[in-house]
Amino acid sequence: GENVEQHPSTLSVQEGDSAVIKCTYSDSASNYFPWYKQELGKRPQLIIDIRSNVGEKKDQRIAVTLNKTAKHFSLHITETQPEDSAVYFCAASYQAGTALIFGKGTTLSVSS
Amino acid sequence: GAVVSQHPSRVICKSGTSVKIECRSLDFQATTMFWYRQFPKQSLMLMATSNEGSKATYEQGVEKDKFLINHASLTLSTLTVTSAHPEDSSFYICSARDPVKETQYFGPGTRLLVL
Repeated sequence: GENVEQHPSTLSVQEGDSAVIKCTYSDSASNYFPWYKQELGKRPQLIIDIRSNVGEKKDQRIAVTLNKTAKHFSLHITETQPEDSAVYFCAASYQAGTALIFGKGTTLSVSS
Repeated sequence: GAVVSQHPSRVICKSGTSVKIECRSLDFQATTMFWYRQFPKQSLMLMATSNEGSKATYEQGVEKDKFLINHASLTLSTLTVTSAHPEDSSFYICSARDPVKETQYFGPGTRLLVL
């Protein structure tokens, strides 16, 4: 089955800096790669996703890149703000809306 | 936007009792729902896939007789933790698949504490 590795487990940046979180997956059949932000005690919130027919997607300060050959995808947050502090999870699935396999998460801390 | 609800949001029970958690899709019909479990400071782990009108598919290591899943309608799936023990204490999150939008929406989660 699918296995998703996520790095780093913790990331501390200064406000205004960029943050990059990287994930690798094992199953070449996976085609959908979402990123979630989870605040303490709350449900995961989808912040951006990418499908396998696209190499990069951007939404304001957030971007995701996908390299299907290498089986890795990354989340890029620019101009970080304290409210970006949370746990971020990458995930992979065969198609959008199917069971998700999550990475272990990255705790992002943005200090002002 | 699409909403998925869970009930209860929190539950405390004694060891040995059973607890039922409900997951509802409020504005779309979900033929498929998923149940995840999240221990403190850990990731979400898929427990099972719940298909309306058929038996759930459980992930390796998840006991089907302990975690009973029923998906009797297109808007409701239930997870029953039978004979709960302290090690079952966790955050249980469901999600529902909107087949039209091909998107998965998460419920708010249920925090279970077994004493």
